Amino acid sequence: GESVGLHLPTLSVQEGDNSIINCAYSNSASDYFIWYKQESGKGPQFIIDIRSNMDKRQGQRVTVLLNKTVKHLSLQIAATQPGDSAVYFCAENSGAGSYQLTFGKGTKLSVIP
Amino acid sequence: KAGVTQTPRYLIKTRGQQVTLSCSPISGHRSVSWYQQTPGQGLQFLFEYFSETQRNKGNFPGRFSGRQFSNSRSEMNVSTLELGDSALYLCASSPAGSWSNQPQHFGDGTRLSIL
Repeated sequence: GESVGLHLPTLSVQEGDNSIINCAYSNSASDYFIWYKQESGKGPQFIIDIRSNMDKRQGQRVTVLLNKTVKHLSLQIAATQPGDSAVYFCAENSGAGSYQLTFGKGTKLSVIP
Repeated sequence: KAGVTQTPRYLIKTRGQQVTLSCSPISGHRSVSWYQQTPGQGLQFLFEYFSETQRNKGNFPGRFSGRQFSNSRSEMNVSTLELGDSALYLCASSPAGSWSNQPQHFGDGTRLSIL
């Protein structure tokens, strides 16, 4: 039969604007969260991570916010550039110290030059 | 430092065959995980190895297996291939467990196509 692909949410932003990508996670016991960026033909690339005892972490041009009350993560990208165009995944780890990542469905970010 | 290396990059097999995929982690990394990525199911966890021991296993049939060698290199095997096994298989490595605050880094995957 025909396979049904995931319909990825798409976010289109103007170059130079800020981007916010949201993610709902499922397991309240997850203690570690990671954002990855995946470009066509490549594997996921690490962007930023955050542990469950934090609610905000900043990197270079990126910020991750964690709201455990509503099980929500967001990734903020400042001054979005064309090179930021990719699919972004959030991942939660519930492996209790070892790795067992559960990935979200992904958001496709398109940057308009 | 070289990244995670997966071989081969592309593979074509027929139903019923078996396949072995290889992963060389980043030097010094002892944890290796495997994931399957398909358009329909997204990224799904297969298993994780640390110091040659499988620590976690995802919800996949027993046809999917793996192992890790003393040099941390890992292989995964899929037996009796089915059309639905067509996917991008990704390997990820990290120095230790998730408690170490060191994220997994991914290779570019092996694209497996089943005819």
